[in-house]
Amino acid sequence: EDQVTQSPEALRLQEGESSSLNCSYTVSGLRGLFWYRQDPGKGPEFLFTLYSAGEEKEKERLKATLTKKESFLHITAPKPEDSATYLCAVPNQAGTALIFGKGTTLSVSS
Amino acid sequence: EAGVVQSPRYKIIEKKQPVAFWCNPISGHNTLYWYLQNLGQGPELLIRYENEEAVDDSQLPKDRFSAERLKGVDSTLKIQPAELGDSAVYLCASSLGSGTSGRTDTQYFGPGTRLTVL
Repeated sequence: EDQVTQSPEALRLQEGESSSLNCSYTVSGLRGLFWYRQDPGKGPEFLFTLYSAGEEKEKERLKATLTKKESFLHITAPKPEDSATYLCAVPNQAGTALIFGKGTTLSVSS
Repeated sequence: EAGVVQSPRYKIIEKKQPVAFWCNPISGHNTLYWYLQNLGQGPELLIRYENEEAVDDSQLPKDRFSAERLKGVDSTLKIQPAELGDSAVYLCASSLGSGTSGRTDTQYFGPGTRLTVL
């Protein structure tokens, strides 16, 4: 069964304290791994797509990396405005739908 | 460029009443998705459209849920009658297509409709 597991469920950081979020997946023939950010009361906002093991993408304080079994979202020197839920998703084996993890809720305090 | 538009943003209804949600995808996007998101969970697919054809509706509870995408542009999701357990956020997403060469196209989400069934 295709699955996506995110850890930790919740993460509290001080402003400037760097950390990483993990997304592990079990799906054959990966057709992409997607990271989204979701703020309360809003829809998921697209951040990154990774297609190949070893691929990395960066956006401001965020950097996403991909291996054959997991992806990491590294947050460098976070600010309070980075507080949100970060969702990871992979396409199912048929490529017809995204399977989402439950997300990691990040809280950054000043 | 306008993103995915959904309305209404919030809806409160009594159980057994009907309700409908509307979605307008990003211009030029042929594939449209309806997802359900429960509190503390990731979105789960209800139905996927390629243009006006529903190509994956295996997770749609067909006894009470229906959807349509006339003319292959905007879409409506309906629940009739609503039950207490239907309270959730209903998200619409769109993508250029489904993807090619083993790569899935990026899906862009709307703001969602928060449904409360009393």
